[in-house]
Amino acid sequence: SQKIEQNSEALNIQEGKTATLTCNYTNYSPAYLQWYRQDPGRGPVFLLLIRENEKEKRKERLKVTFDTTLKQSLFHITASQPADSATYLCALDRGTDKLIFGTGTRLQVFP
Amino acid sequence: EPEVTQTPSHQVTQMGQEVILRCVPISNHLYFYWYRQILGQKVEFLVSFYNNEISEKSEIFDDQFSVERPDGSNFTLKIRSTKLEDSAMYFCASTGTRDSYEQYFGPGTRLTVT
Repeated sequence: SQKIEQNSEALNIQEGKTATLTCNYTNYSPAYLQWYRQDPGRGPVFLLLIRENEKEKRKERLKVTFDTTLKQSLFHITASQPADSATYLCALDRGTDKLIFGTGTRLQVFP
Repeated sequence: EPEVTQTPSHQVTQMGQEVILRCVPISNHLYFYWYRQILGQKVEFLVSFYNNEISEKSEIFDDQFSVERPDGSNFTLKIRSTKLEDSAMYFCASTGTRDSYEQYFGPGTRLTVT
């Protein structure tokens, strides 16, 4: 079955730095890879989607890369702020409806 | 901005009881989903629903679970006979069209089975 690993359970960085989160997957390649933000006790919030034939996607301070050879996606938040503190979820989508989520990385940005 | 809503926010029930979790997806969306998240664990897919029928379901979604879209706005998840291990946060999600893959999640219903 598909396995998704996000690099670390928690990541602490200083405000203003770039946070880099990693998502690795095994077995089949997804048609799409999505990143969501989840705050405690809340539902996931969609951030970015990248297709298998795309290398990079940007949205404001967010950037996602997708390397199907390495079976890896990197998620970057530049000029990080304390308000960026949350859990970030990677999710695979084969284009069949269901999302397969990773366990998430809890990001803490301190002043 | 349109959003997915869910009721109740918290449901406490006794083992063996039936529960119905309710969701109102975004009004023009066509694809609907239920996910669950056991405390401290990852979000897990349960079922997807399109055109008034289930399009895919996971191993978790056994005969104790059912979904329904009883009218043009509500989307429900029923658990017939709850078990302790059903305690989790249940999220409803929706997607607009087949070409838009991002899913919009509701705030969740925390189900506690005692």
